[in-house]
Amino acid sequence: GDSVTQMEGPVTLSEEAFLTINCTYTATGYPSLFWYVQYPGEGLQLLLKATKADDKGSNKGFEATYRKETTSFHLEKGSVQVSDSAVYFCALRYNFNKFYFGSGTKLNVKP
Amino acid sequence: NAGVTQTPKFQVLKTGQSMTLQCAQDMNHNSMYWYRQDPGMGLRLIYYSASEGTTDKGEVPNGYNVSRLNKREFSLRLESAAPSQTSVYFCASRQAQSTDTQYFGPGTRLTVL
Repeated sequence: GDSVTQMEGPVTLSEEAFLTINCTYTATGYPSLFWYVQYPGEGLQLLLKATKADDKGSNKGFEATYRKETTSFHLEKGSVQVSDSAVYFCALRYNFNKFYFGSGTKLNVKP
Repeated sequence: NAGVTQTPKFQVLKTGQSMTLQCAQDMNHNSMYWYRQDPGMGLRLIYYSASEGTTDKGEVPNGYNVSRLNKREFSLRLESAAPSQTSVYFCASRQAQSTDTQYFGPGTRLTVL
């Protein structure tokens, strides 16, 4: 069945470091792919999305490219800030109504 | 707009007790969802409602029931709580089948002793 696998955390970086959080998926067809972010004590918020192969989603300096050939949707940011500390979830939509989420990767950014 | 609201924020139950988690959205969205979040497992779909008057099972529906009371409200009921249902529960809504973005509530932290 459809599923999402993302790298385990926590990931600890210094401010201004480069961030990559890996996400790979298994799916029939061509699902839409997402990154959600969860700040402490809050619900999830959509960070970015891509709906077809080679699309690049971007928001707040974060980017991810839908790679059909490697079934990946890795999250990147060139220079992280302390305020980026959160848990990041990769997700896919696997029919009109259902979504699969990865297990989440906690990011800690130190000043 | 308040977005998606959930009540209560915290709840402690004893094994065998029942309770209902409430969710409401004021964005006129058609679809609503209930997820549970457990450490190391991400979010898992319990039930969803594609539109008013319909509900369907997700990945982990056992032990739960839902009611789509109207377009705004979608409740989750635990008839006989078990310790395995200790989790954080999130409600989410989405405008329509043609859109991808879900909007999440702040969550309910439930502990079953």
